[in-house]
Amino acid sequence: DTAVSQTPKYLVTQMGNDKSIKCEQNLGHDTMYWYKQDSKKFLKIMFSYNNKELIINETVPNRFSPKSPDKAHLNLHINSLELGDSAVYFCASSQEMGLYGYTFGSGTRLTVV
Amino acid sequence: DQQVKQNSPSLSVQEGRISILNCDYTNSMFDYFLWYKKYPAEGPTFLISISSIKDKNEDGRFTVFLNKSAKHLSLHIVPSQPGDSAVYFCAATFYNNNDMRFGAGTRLTVKP
Repeated sequence: DTAVSQTPKYLVTQMGNDKSIKCEQNLGHDTMYWYKQDSKKFLKIMFSYNNKELIINETVPNRFSPKSPDKAHLNLHINSLELGDSAVYFCASSQEMGLYGYTFGSGTRLTVV
Repeated sequence: DQQVKQNSPSLSVQEGRISILNCDYTNSMFDYFLWYKKYPAEGPTFLISISSIKDKNEDGRFTVFLNKSAKHLSLHIVPSQPGDSAVYFCAATFYNNNDMRFGAGTRLTVKP
């Protein structure tokens, strides 16, 4: 039973489209995250969210928006996709304390053509 | 602003030998430091962590060392096994854990 699951695993779409990536965790964690791994393999945080607050990395374009219907889900919506959005997107979750690390999903490879 | 740096993109070692992966950071306010392991087409997997108040943490074949004065940490794998071949990410975070920063990763290859 996968702890953090993302769908789809692969997503190919045209510029200008709107798409969503879904994420679900069954660990009972309070906080969920979205990370972007770019072509240089850097993992950069996009959002962190718990039931108290949404923290947005200020460098993330407002075309990206997280939606959390409940504590176990954090979906990523992307409007007006651009070529530069092509990357691997990872969802993760964690307990509050940093010592225990994050549990990551297997990633969604987004290709914008 | 890359606050966590892994300057070696790759490392190759012989099976049974020690693997030493290095990481430097710039923000002295980090509370925890972590190592993750990543296989292709999978997400990073948490491996081991250390609090900023300690200088060593050991878990089986994996040991993390922290040198706060040098803002440097390292991961030692002894003995190295072919199954350890993966990309290893160094990471650092604060107590509230809502902004974990990652290095660029080091690809470790353990040769049989």
